[in-house]
Amino acid sequence: GESVGLHLPTLSVQEGDNSIINCAYSNSASDYFIWYKQESGKGPQFIIDIRSNMDKRQGQRVTVLLNKTVKHLSLQIAATQPGDSAVYFCAENLRGLQGAQKLVFGQGTRLTINP
Amino acid sequence: GAGVSQSPSNKVTEKGKDVELRCDPISGHTALYWYRQSLGQGLEFLIYFQGNSAPDKSGLPSDRFSAERTGGSVSTLTIQRTQQEDSAVYLCASSLRVAGGEQFFGPGTRLTVL
Repeated sequence: GESVGLHLPTLSVQEGDNSIINCAYSNSASDYFIWYKQESGKGPQFIIDIRSNMDKRQGQRVTVLLNKTVKHLSLQIAATQPGDSAVYFCAENLRGLQGAQKLVFGQGTRLTINP
Repeated sequence: GAGVSQSPSNKVTEKGKDVELRCDPISGHTALYWYRQSLGQGLEFLIYFQGNSAPDKSGLPSDRFSAERTGGSVSTLTIQRTQQEDSAVYLCASSLRVAGGEQFFGPGTRLTVL
C-alpha cells in the first residue's frame, strides 16, 4: 500500500490568507520529499523539495517543513492567490535501481482559494 | 524549449483492444518515467528508463503492460487487452539526471476503456 498520505482531502481558504497542507509518510528511510501542484487537466508541477537532513526550506511564498520524528511533512503557502487553487501532492522518494527516483505520491489535497 | 509532450491527449477504446501511448521527453533528459493516475487519486509509479540501462519495471500492474524507449528518447507505453480498470490518466515525466533530478511531467493521456 501507499506509504504517503494526506490528512485532509480538501481545504478552502480566503484569498490573501496563509494555507497549510499536511502530509504523513511511513518510510523512515526516505531521504527526499517533494511537493507537486496539479491544476485541472495538467500534469503535476514541481513546487519545492526537501532532503531529510533539513527541517525547513523556503521558496517564493512557499515553505516546506519536515518533522522526521513524527514523519510529517507540510507545505505552507503564504498570501494565497486564486492561481494557487489546485490539487497538491506530497511525494516520498524511494531509491530504485541505480539510485533513480521512485516517487510514491499521496492522494492529494484540493486547495480552493475563495475570493 | 518544449516540455514533455504526450499523445494522444485522450483515448477511448473498447475492452479487449490494445492501446499505445506515446511520450516525448525533454531533449537531453536521460531518465523517463511513466505513472498512472486514477480519478481523484495520487500517482502510481509504473516504470522508468535510464539511458541504455535495463528499465525498472517493478510498478507495472500486470504483464498486459509494457513500455519501450527507443534511442533513449521517445517512449511508448502499450496496454494489451485493455480492461475497464485500466481507465486512468497516464502521465510521463523526464528528468535531466536519475538521482535527485526534478521530474518534469507531461499533460497526460486520459484513457477510457468502455
